Amino acid sequence: DGGITQSPKYLFRKEGQNVTLSCEQNLNHDAMYWYRQDPGQGLRLIYYSQIVNDFQKGDIAEGYSVSREKKESFPLTVTSAQKNPTAFYLCASSDGRDGSYEQYFGPGTRLTVT
Amino acid sequence: EDKVVQSPLSLVVHEGDTVTLNCSYEVTNFRSLLWYKQEKKAPTFLFMLTSSGIEKKSGRLSSILDKKELFSILNITATQTGDSAIYLCAVDCPTSGTYKYIFGTGTRLKVLA
Repeated sequence: DGGITQSPKYLFRKEGQNVTLSCEQNLNHDAMYWYRQDPGQGLRLIYYSQIVNDFQKGDIAEGYSVSREKKESFPLTVTSAQKNPTAFYLCASSDGRDGSYEQYFGPGTRLTVT
Repeated sequence: EDKVVQSPLSLVVHEGDTVTLNCSYEVTNFRSLLWYKQEKKAPTFLFMLTSSGIEKKSGRLSSILDKKELFSILNITATQTGDSAIYLCAVDCPTSGTYKYIFGTGTRLKVLA
């Protein structure tokens, strides 16, 4: 089945540790995105990538880093520089062909940093 | 600054009621508006709207876009408890040819039995 997978579903870390969230898609989509969702707020864009080996900062990129070495994979690293890392993280992808820009979302990773 | 505003922020109705959710936007380069339903985890896609005045319909849900007044509405008729969710509106507004989606804060809908 085609789709997007994120792992793990829940992640707990101590303050000061870097942590990497996984996102994989087998939809053959060119574009991938990372969002963060906090209570009472909409999704905020962290990073996005339109093509392999290229990515752009979103609205809240500080304290995060990404890589896009393969089309299928777009891992997000939450560094110790991120001041409020506890949140729900969503990965998405989109095709963009035939005028369709619908995003497909993964199930999300809930990160708790104490 | 591009922005998307949804209203109301939350809504409580009884089964069988009809609800209308609003999404207004101010963006520099509009391409499409999308509605999502988020129940527990990931949002699921409902509609994508690109043209004014053309209603999109799926069962009890329908949506329409007004590009002149810069808003969209999502209607749900004969609501059921399974409609309880957060409804997210997003606008695709690419800059310099790149993808860019702006999301609203969502409307939290609770349908009581």
